[in-house]
Amino acid sequence: NAGVTQTPKFQVLKTGQSMTLQCAQDMNHEYMSWYRQDPGMGLRLIHYSVGAGITDQGEVPNGYNVSRSTTEDFPLRLLSAAPSQTSVYFCASSIGGMNTEAFFGQGTRLTVV
Amino acid sequence: GENVEQHPSTLSVQEGDSAVIKCTYSDSASNYFPWYKQELGKGPQLIIDIRSNVGEKKDQRIAVTLNKTAKHFSLHITETQPEDSAVYFCAASISGGSYIPTFGRGTSLIVHP
Repeated sequence: NAGVTQTPKFQVLKTGQSMTLQCAQDMNHEYMSWYRQDPGMGLRLIHYSVGAGITDQGEVPNGYNVSRSTTEDFPLRLLSAAPSQTSVYFCASSIGGMNTEAFFGQGTRLTVV
Repeated sequence: GENVEQHPSTLSVQEGDSAVIKCTYSDSASNYFPWYKQELGKGPQLIIDIRSNVGEKKDQRIAVTLNKTAKHFSLHITETQPEDSAVYFCAASISGGSYIPTFGRGTSLIVHP
């Protein structure tokens, strides 16, 4: 039972570099989302998707892009990394409907220097 | 949009004591209130949830109460144990809406042996 898989677990980037954080789920969930976790700030929503081909912005979308070409995958792209994007990133998925439990990945710790 | 306030940010108790974490929400349309536990280095995991048609729910040492009129809900942990030490997040969402939860800022619970 893989659940939600995030890669990589750790990453160090230089300012201005680009990269993609991968997220895959094998539960056939329609709803997927990306959060960033910073000390004292809780979990802040970056982008989310309610199904393949549909994405929308969350609370802190600037500097991030997403796409949802399949139900399983929801990658998060940083086009030009900045030190302010140093954070722990979590991907989550949920089945929707009346059962809205979110299943989280293990997180990606990103440091931008 | 929804706003969830969570208090306290840090809670320190002795093993065997009870712990209470409180949250308030702003959107009266919210009808699903989950609580997540995050252990060090891991993603959050659902521990209990409550829906708006229920005032209280218990699961062994954990209980959640909901006051829809006052728009607040609380997590109660009795007979705390060292393994209860973690960060706890409350959240609020709307079943039938975007399903994407809004999280509180988290409470770091420390249980001293």
